[in-house]
Amino acid sequence: GENVEQHPSTLSVQEGDSAVIKCTYSDSASNYFPWYKQELGKRPQLIIDIRSNVGEKKDQRIAVTLNKTAKHFSLHITETQPEDSAVYFCAQGGSNSGYALNFGKGTSLLVTP
Amino acid sequence: DAGVIQSPRHEVTEMGQEVTLRCKPISGHNSLFWYRQTMMRGLELLIYFNNNVPIDDSGMPEDRFSAKMPNASFSTLKIQPSEPRDSAVYFCATGRADTQYFGPGTRLTVL
Repeated sequence: GENVEQHPSTLSVQEGDSAVIKCTYSDSASNYFPWYKQELGKRPQLIIDIRSNVGEKKDQRIAVTLNKTAKHFSLHITETQPEDSAVYFCAQGGSNSGYALNFGKGTSLLVTP
Repeated sequence: DAGVIQSPRHEVTEMGQEVTLRCKPISGHNSLFWYRQTMMRGLELLIYFNNNVPIDDSGMPEDRFSAKMPNASFSTLKIQPSEPRDSAVYFCATGRADTQYFGPGTRLTVL
C-alpha cells in the first residue's frame, strides 16, 4: 500500500500540556484520514476522522487538521490527561486503495502527572 | 450493538497445528478486514472483503493463510500449518465503506 509516515514515534508530555502527532502521505487520491487510539492490550479505537473536503475538525480536546496540498495531517490533543496515554495511529484511505486503510507505525504517547 | 465479535480471544497451539480465527461483523457493515499486529511489523492488513467478496489479499503472507466470508455475518482466517512466527494479535475490523471498527482481537501463540 501507499506509505504513511508518522512522527514522532514516542512523545512524553506533562499533564495539561498539548500533544501533536503528524503524518504525511503520498497518495494524492487519498480522501479519508482517521485516527485510532490503542491502549495497552486493547483494540485500536477510532477517535476522530476527517475527509478531504474540510481542513479541520474538533471534538472536545481532540482536533485534526489536514493540508492536502502538502499531504500531511495532524492530531492535536489539548489539556492532556494521564488517561490519554496510549499508542495513536494515523491512517489514510482513498479511491486508489478501495476501502483499505494504510496505517502509520504509531506514536506512543505518555502523559505524566 | 455488540460490536465486532472475535473468537477465540486467546489461542495457544503447537507448531504444525491448524488454527481458525473467527469474526462476526457489526450488523449492517459490508466491509470486513483482517489485520495482524506485532511489535516488529506494526499493524498489517492481510485481506479485506466487501459484500462478502475478497477484494485484496495481497497482504496474506503465504499459502498457509486463507480467509473466507461465506455470508455477511461470519468470516474465518485459517492458518495451516501454523509456525512460531505467526504468533501475533489478529484483529478483525468491519465497517461501512472506509470507516472501520476493530474487534477485540485474538492473541495467537504458536509454540
